[in-house]
Amino acid sequence: NAGVIQTPRHKVTGKGQEATLWCEPISGHSAVFWYRQTIVQGLEFLTYFRNQAPIDDSGMPKERFSAQMPNQSHSTLKIQSTQPQDSAVYLCASSLPGAEQYFGPGTRLTVL
Amino acid sequence: GQQVQQSPSSLVLQEGENAELQCNFSSTATQLQWFYQSPGGSLVSLLSNPSGTKHTGRLTSTTVTKERRSSLHISSSQTTDSGTYLCAIDTSNTDKVVFGTGTRLQVSP
Repeated sequence: NAGVIQTPRHKVTGKGQEATLWCEPISGHSAVFWYRQTIVQGLEFLTYFRNQAPIDDSGMPKERFSAQMPNQSHSTLKIQSTQPQDSAVYLCASSLPGAEQYFGPGTRLTVL
Repeated sequence: GQQVQQSPSSLVLQEGENAELQCNFSSTATQLQWFYQSPGGSLVSLLSNPSGTKHTGRLTSTTVTKERRSSLHISSSQTTDSGTYLCAIDTSNTDKVVFGTGTRLQVSP
């Protein structure tokens, strides 16, 4: 079991470019979560899926952020027209229903 | 909604001393998890302890559900224990959890 896999580990984009982050949950885990972590804001919930269906996206900035889970083996977080304030570590986690969450190594996004 | 407070916000110890970290939450929890994050690293699950007492290695977590608090005791701290400790509580018996702001632990040799 490789754990939760996130790619890329680091991404640098220019202001206004698009960034797509990938997450592969642990096989068999039905819940997938996305978080954002910065020094100032700490760990913020963005969105989560259960059995590939979006359940709660209350943490997602509405205009430029979107997340999909097209199949049970991966989820993507897309940020359009990236801004410097989007710079953060984006963390993906997965879990069995009602069970503890396991986190990936994160993607460090830097927007210049 | 669920609110999670951790104390202290930071803690400095000498190697060999014990650490006591606290987590208080505003609503009944059916899931409570303690995580460790090394500087620049990701989150590693330490213990899942919604009630009672659990031990693993030098870690002991005690959760008193009706008082809405949990503690994490680290015995005989080591320099490699340095990092941030986060507790996370479920919200309304869903999969979603809310994280505390963490306790930053520094253990000096």
